[in-house]
Amino acid sequence: GENVEQHPSTLSVQEGDSAVIKCTYSDSASNYFPWYKQELGKGPQLIIDIRSNVGEKKDQRIAVTLNKTAKHFSLHITETQPEDSAVYFCAASPSSGGSYIPTFGRGTSLIVHP
Amino acid sequence: SQTIHQWPATLVQPVGSPLSLECTVEGTSNPNLYWYRQAAGRGLQLLFYSVGIGQISSEVPQNLSASRPQDRQFILSSKKLLLSDSGFYLCAWSALLGTEKAFFGQGTRLTVV
Repeated sequence: GENVEQHPSTLSVQEGDSAVIKCTYSDSASNYFPWYKQELGKGPQLIIDIRSNVGEKKDQRIAVTLNKTAKHFSLHITETQPEDSAVYFCAASPSSGGSYIPTFGRGTSLIVHP
Repeated sequence: SQTIHQWPATLVQPVGSPLSLECTVEGTSNPNLYWYRQAAGRGLQLLFYSVGIGQISSEVPQNLSASRPQDRQFILSSKKLLLSDSGFYLCAWSALLGTEKAFFGQGTRLTVV
């Protein structure tokens, strides 16, 4: 099955700096890669996603890049703000037969210091 | 719009007691439904998923079971809780066809004492 590795496990930055979280996956059949943000005590929320036919996607201060050849994808947050502090999860999905079963990374705890 | 409801938000149960967590989805039909557990290490472990009424797939053999009595209802159960069942339980749904986006409920914090 799919295996997703996520790094780093903890990331501490100063407000205004950029943050980058990286993930690798093992199943070349994976073609959908979402990122989730989880605030303390809440469920994860989808913040951005990318499909295998796209190399980069951007939404305001967040962007995701995908390298299918190397099987890795990254989340980039620019101009970080204290409210960006949360746990971020990447996931990979080898869609088949209409089912979607995401495999998640172990998460990155992002801390933005004011 | 679609919404997912999960309850209760917190639960403290003694060892050996039964468990029933409920999840319902509104605003969509034939969703894929999922139960995840999140332990202290923050990772999301898939426990069960369902692609239709009465269809349950188990990813991890354990003390828990799941049922889907109605199209948009997903229940996580245990006959006798263990200390190791403590954790944060998350229900999620995705559309059966057309999109792979998955959406999570707010979770249930279960503490077994």
